[in-house]
Parts: sequence; C-alpha cells; structure tokens
Amino acid sequence: GAGVSQSPSNKVTEKGKDVELRCDPISGHTALYWYRQRLGQGLEFLIYFQGNSAPDKSGLPSDRFSAERTGESVSTLTIQRTQQEDSAVYLCASSLETAAYEQYFGPGTRLTVT
Amino acid sequence: KQEVTQIPAALSVPEGENLVLNCSFTDSAIYNLQWFRQDPGKGLTSLLLIQSSQREQTSGRLNASLDKSSGRSTLYIAASQPGDSATYLCAVKSNYQLIWGAGTKLIIKP
Repeated sequence: GAGVSQSPSNKVTEKGKDVELRCDPISGHTALYWYRQRLGQGLEFLIYFQGNSAPDKSGLPSDRFSAERTGESVSTLTIQRTQQEDSAVYLCASSLETAAYEQYFGPGTRLTVT
Repeated sequence: KQEVTQIPAALSVPEGENLVLNCSFTDSAIYNLQWFRQDPGKGLTSLLLIQSSQREQTSGRLNASLDKSSGRSTLYIAASQPGDSATYLCAVKSNYQLIWGAGTKLIIKP
C-alpha cells in the first residue's frame, strides 16, 4: 500500500515569507508526527496528532510554527515569517496509534530559507 | 528526561568485517526501540523495531538486541558491504514521540 507522502520535496523561500508543508499519512493511521532535522544535527520532535487534535505542541520552536490536521488524514505544518534557522528537513511520520506502534516516515521536505 | 546516546559517532571499516553499533538510553520505561538508516539527502529507512518485551530482532545480515534494564541496544552488521555505508540512527519510543540518538556515520571501504 501507499506509504507516507510529503510535499513539496524541496522548498526554497525568502526570509520573511510563509510556507506550508503537507503530509499525507498512511490510510487508517490515527497518529501523525512532525520532526525536524537541521543540517548536522539530530532529529527534533515538533508535534503529534491523535486524530485531529494535538495534545502536545511543546516541541514547536516558536509561535511562528503551527500545524493542523483535518479528517484524521492530511496535516499541514505552517511556518510564518521564515528565518534562516528554519532551514531543515521536515519529516512526517504516522502510526496506527501512539504508544507501541511503529512510526512510518515520509521522504521529508527540505526547506531552505535564503 | 529520556536521553539517547550512540557510540561511536563515526566508524570506518574494511569491507567484509562484522561490526557493532551501540545505543544507550537513560530511562528504561520505553515502548520500543527502532534502528534506522539515513542516506545523504534521503529519508529514513526503518531497519529493525524491537518491542520492549523482546530481546532481539533479525533481518538478513542485521541483528539488533535490546537490554531494557541496562538501557542498551546494539546493532550487529555481519559481513559488511560498501552499500551499508550510511548514518545509523537509534530511536526509543517514550510515550508518543521518538527520542533520537545523534547517529553513527558508517563508512565501509571496498
């Protein structure tokens, strides 16, 4: 079956612009996660959704970051007024539920802020 | 707070050698542990998932072990090949999120 997909695969934007990153999880997966990996650094947890609600937003780096999920399916991560330090690969993952279920990752969106 | 450490940070070995990558974590209250492979400019490939009740998992030339009580996991790669060159990441599942190690960059020399 289809895996997790993300779009765009690459995004170059000017500092100060807003960007939207999209994640399509595996059908039937109720849990969805966003992670970030900046160049040369480890992966950071950003936010997760259980259904359409986000119980934990503590990983979001600043109030310029927001995310939503609709229909227990597609999720959008929005970064407003982008800064150069936002340049990173943004990875989305989904799983059947939280807890012990395996997370399946998408290919990521490489964001470059110039 | 859960912390994950991977040793070594980098490893270079000749082709054909068997090797071991190490991962340690500070809080034994985990649901599972997962080993991933990351190739430059590409996404993550899941290699092995070990549930907290399991001791090891095997896939082809890969074997991962888990000792939850001591907070350790190892990834054993048998008969290494140049195609195994990549960064290997260890991640533990605590509650809902994965907590990641910084990775081991592996280079297999032909």
